[in-house]
Amino acid sequence: DGGITQSPKYLFRKEGQNVTLSCEQNLNHDAMYWYRQDPGQGLRLIYYSQIVNDFQKGDIAEGYSVSREKKESFPLTVTSAQKNPTAFYLCASSFGLPGAQPQHFGDGTRLSIL
Amino acid sequence: DQQVKQNSPSLSVQEGRISILNCDYTNSMFDYFLWYKKYPAEGPTFLISISSIKDKNEDGRFTVFLNKSAKHLSLHIVPSQPGDSAVYFCAASAWGGSQGNLIFGKGTKLSVKP
Repeated sequence: DGGITQSPKYLFRKEGQNVTLSCEQNLNHDAMYWYRQDPGQGLRLIYYSQIVNDFQKGDIAEGYSVSREKKESFPLTVTSAQKNPTAFYLCASSFGLPGAQPQHFGDGTRLSIL
Repeated sequence: DQQVKQNSPSLSVQEGRISILNCDYTNSMFDYFLWYKKYPAEGPTFLISISSIKDKNEDGRFTVFLNKSAKHLSLHIVPSQPGDSAVYFCAASAWGGSQGNLIFGKGTKLSVKP
């Protein structure tokens, strides 16, 4: 059963702490993405990766970091430099860039500050 | 500056009637448009897409219309069912996805009353 798995579903961060959100896909998709959703807002792109070992900043990359060591995995680290990290984080993947193929999303991780 | 606008935060329709969700965009370079459906605490689910070379695309109860001159697209759901109640996001990409991301609207919450 192919899909995108995000974990954990809920995550709490202490002040000054880095946390890592997991995203795994078994759809054999080349491209992967991280979005952030705030209440009443659309999704905003944090980072995306077209291929292994390559990734690009999106619209709101400050305070975040990613890695793409395997095709199936695209973890997102929310660093202490991100001053307003409370949000719903969504991972997505697609065959190539989104110009002709839709992105498919995981069920998200909700991050809160303790 | 919002490039993709969904001006109606909410819409309520009666079961069996038509639901029409609207989306306007400002960037004339957008050439691929998508609609996603999202339930609370879940990731968005891809519904239907349309490229700029078409003005209509149909998939079962869902039809998307694109008016390039007006920079406007709409999603029609006929007939509407209670299970269609969700938040609907319009999204767009430019230049065949070469910019690497989708631009999302803020969403319209659809409520279908039995």
